[in-house]
Amino acid sequence: EVQLLESGGGLVQPGGSLRLSCAASGFTFSSYAMSWVRQAPGKGLEWVSAISGSGGSTYYADSVKGRFTISRDNSKNTLYLQMNSLRAEDTAVYYCAKGQLELNDEGLYLFDYWGQGTLVTVSS
Amino acid sequence: QLVLTQSPSASASLGASVKLTCTLSSGHSSYAIAWHQQQPEKGPRYLMKLNSDGSHSKGDGIPDRFSGSSSGAERYLTISSLQSEDEADYYCQTWGTGIRVVFGGGTKLTVL
Repeated sequence: EVQLLESGGGLVQPGGSLRLSCAASGFTFSSYAMSWVRQAPGKGLEWVSAISGSGGSTYYADSVKGRFTISRDNSKNTLYLQMNSLRAEDTAVYYCAKGQLELNDEGLYLFDYWGQGTLVTVSS
Repeated sequence: QLVLTQSPSASASLGASVKLTCTLSSGHSSYAIAWHQQQPEKGPRYLMKLNSDGSHSKGDGIPDRFSGSSSGAERYLTISSLQSEDEADYYCQTWGTGIRVVFGGGTKLTVL
């Protein structure tokens, strides 16, 4: 059974940093692209970042480019999101999502499993 | 610019059927999409990938009550024999080189 478990959320001041983790199980983690998707309170879904299975390729939404860094440790089956220079508009529930095997756009961005999310609140 | 348009809300009675629509913006009618369900206070759940020709592949454990179809730039999700647990937000999503990932605004389904 595929499981994705996010952690690391919390309250942080504007300009601060936070690192999110997503522990994966039930599939060969290193073979699949992974993404972070966020949802501001009462709003819809917004893709944040993606990483290939090997970790060699990373992709970012314009809204977080230069501030967030996605990474993975395939020996620990864990996905990370390092968030720096946080802003109030980054306040959201952050979900990790599993991609596909294919080495193309669909492999990166077709999400077939999601975690339960972790809440990040940026406020003074 | 690729945009996915969904009606903000829909409603149908328990045991009935409902058809939700996701419309691709002009010039993008060949794109496949995915449908995701988000029940209250939960993470999203993948329902299916839906191609422009109407063929679709469902996620693990998705009941036969959920089906997809396509017509031009429209992508549909039909839920039959509505149950109370189908009350949720439904999002369509697409992807591509350059556009990365686009989500529709979501449709809130109420089961009466």
